[in-house]
Amino acid sequence: DAKTTQPNSMESNEEEPVHLPCNHSTISGTDYIHWYRQLPSQGPEYVIHGLTSNVNNRMASLAIAEDRKSSTLILHRATLRDAAVYYCILRDAGTASKLTFGTGTRLQVTL
Amino acid sequence: GAGVSQSPSNKVTEKGKDVELRCDPISGHTALYWYRQRLGQGLEFLIYFQGNSAPDKSGLPSDRFSAERTGESVSTLTIQRTQQEDSAVYLCASSLAGQGAFGYTFGSGTRLTVV
Repeated sequence: DAKTTQPNSMESNEEEPVHLPCNHSTISGTDYIHWYRQLPSQGPEYVIHGLTSNVNNRMASLAIAEDRKSSTLILHRATLRDAAVYYCILRDAGTASKLTFGTGTRLQVTL
Repeated sequence: GAGVSQSPSNKVTEKGKDVELRCDPISGHTALYWYRQRLGQGLEFLIYFQGNSAPDKSGLPSDRFSAERTGESVSTLTIQRTQQEDSAVYLCASSLAGQGAFGYTFGSGTRLTVV
């Protein structure tokens, strides 16, 4: 899987939007962009994924740059429960293989 | 079931004993993964099953570790002659298929403590 780069940590105030960036300059045309998060003392949790178009679900939005070399996970109103490590991962559409986690972004949410 | 189920949720074992961890994936999910996460560390891939294909065992740390999967259903991860460095949370995930179009669902994990 192609490599992604994320900031080590970010902070946000509760009730404010959070934009978590991910750079993937070597992305291929068949790579899906996946986001997962891991809350303290829990297993990872699927957040969202997309290929080319922006995606929205009940948890978050995924904004994908036109050249697909970067993407942003948007939490519209951060809550204390959103404090977690967020992982951006690329997955090839055609090849079945393991999911490889990097170090992710640790999001802190404060009152 | 509705989610990925792992059992036991906690296991304490004596050094040198064998342990067996179980994972029940979501019904219909052909891809199943095992990961290990030591305290304060990242997720470490162990093994991946995809349908009837040969499993990807490239992450198994030693020959003390093995895993099996019955068809597209339950999987067991076995650790023989456990060592203290095996202490970790063992996580299982499943997906409709292993390709990138499909998201993954993780279980809550089995916390293994070797004393």
